[in-house]
Amino acid sequence: AQTVTQSQPEMSVQEAETVTLSCTYDTSENNYYLFWYKQPPSRQMILVIRQEAYKQQNATENRFSVNFQKAAKSFSLKISDSQLGDTAMYFCAFMKHRAGGGADGLTFGKGTHLIIQP
Amino acid sequence: DAGVIQSPRHEVTEMGQEVTLRCKPISGHNSLFWYRQTMMRGLELLIYFNNNVPIDDSGMPEDRFSAKMPNASFSTLKIQPSEPRDSAVYFCASISGGAVTDTQYFGPGTRLTVL
Repeated sequence: AQTVTQSQPEMSVQEAETVTLSCTYDTSENNYYLFWYKQPPSRQMILVIRQEAYKQQNATENRFSVNFQKAAKSFSLKISDSQLGDTAMYFCAFMKHRAGGGADGLTFGKGTHLIIQP
Repeated sequence: DAGVIQSPRHEVTEMGQEVTLRCKPISGHNSLFWYRQTMMRGLELLIYFNNNVPIDDSGMPEDRFSAKMPNASFSTLKIQPSEPRDSAVYFCASISGGAVTDTQYFGPGTRLTVL
């Protein structure tokens, strides 16, 4: 079984600052995917960024980037130039790759509540 | 293209009543997932289907919970009888699956309150 740990229940930064959210995971799998999802007060789960474990290059999506350290089983999210609209819960999630195709369920961390102060 | 559709968005019921939650996945997606979110337990996988076939229901809390996927465009999660501890937000998600696994897309969730 996989576990995902987010050690920061809440973080608060000023608008325009850079913030890094931490995530570690434990697995015996070699092929898997990692995700960061954002959940604003509307409770909609929104994909922020994804990383395939076989790719060494860190994923980036505009102001969002990850630092993926496979050996250390670490997957942190960096938000640059933070905006008020980034205020939300952020969940780190793991999904193993199923041999032969098909999907598998997500294992989530407990989440980090990020507050962007004006 | 429409995203994952869930209904109802809110449900308030009394203990002992039957509750049915509904989900329509994104067209063309062949895997569907049901998750539950509570303050105490966070987000947890209940069950998922590949090509309408249940693959893993180990997350279903007890026999009061059941899920079906009669066709590729519809799934239900039923709780009978409901209890106050079932109060939570229930999410449905879908993914295209296949040889290259894509990303799970979530519906807006159903907030269930059992009095």
